[in-house]
Amino acid sequence: DAKTTQPTSMDCAEGRAANLPCNHSTISGNEYVYWYRQIHSQGPQYIIHGLKNNETNEMASLIITEDRKSSTLILPHATLRDTAVYYCIVRVNAGNMLTFGGGTRLMVKP
Amino acid sequence: EPEVTQTPSHQVTQMGQEVILRCVPISNHLYFYWYRQILGQKVEFLVSFYNNEISEKSEIFDDQFSVERPDGSNFTLKIRSTKLEDSAMYFCASRRGLAEAYEQYFGPGTRLTVT
Repeated sequence: DAKTTQPTSMDCAEGRAANLPCNHSTISGNEYVYWYRQIHSQGPQYIIHGLKNNETNEMASLIITEDRKSSTLILPHATLRDTAVYYCIVRVNAGNMLTFGGGTRLMVKP
Repeated sequence: EPEVTQTPSHQVTQMGQEVILRCVPISNHLYFYWYRQILGQKVEFLVSFYNNEISEKSEIFDDQFSVERPDGSNFTLKIRSTKLEDSAMYFCASRRGLAEAYEQYFGPGTRLTVT
């Protein structure tokens, strides 16, 4: 699976959009971008995934650049409960295991 | 909404003892996983299980570890002779299929403390 690079930490004001970047410059054509988060030692929680097109669900939006070398997870209106470590993971669609990196620690502040 | 459950939430054991961590995956899921997270470190893959056999395992998953699906609902991780370094959060996960539409759902974890 391709390696990903994320900032170690970010702050966001409550109610504002949180934009979390991820670089995956070595991504190959059959690899998807997945985002998970982990709230304070709970089990990781799936957020969203995509291949080429931008994706949106009830939790977040995923913007993938045209060359697919980077992506941004957007939480449109961050709340205090969104404070968590966010993991960007790249893997093939039939890949079995998830390989977690260090992620980005997002702190949402009042 | 269906969820993965794990018991116990916290297990304390003495070094050298055997422990069994239990998981109940989501009922129509076919793929099962164990991960662990040592305090302050990354989440690490241990093993995946499908059709009653191990499909993939990491270097961490040595002969001291075993997994089993003893019945139609439970999925267990056994550590035969625990070491201090086995102290960690252990997460079970399940997935309905391998197609990209199917994500992994994680349980709340079992905190294992080896003294």
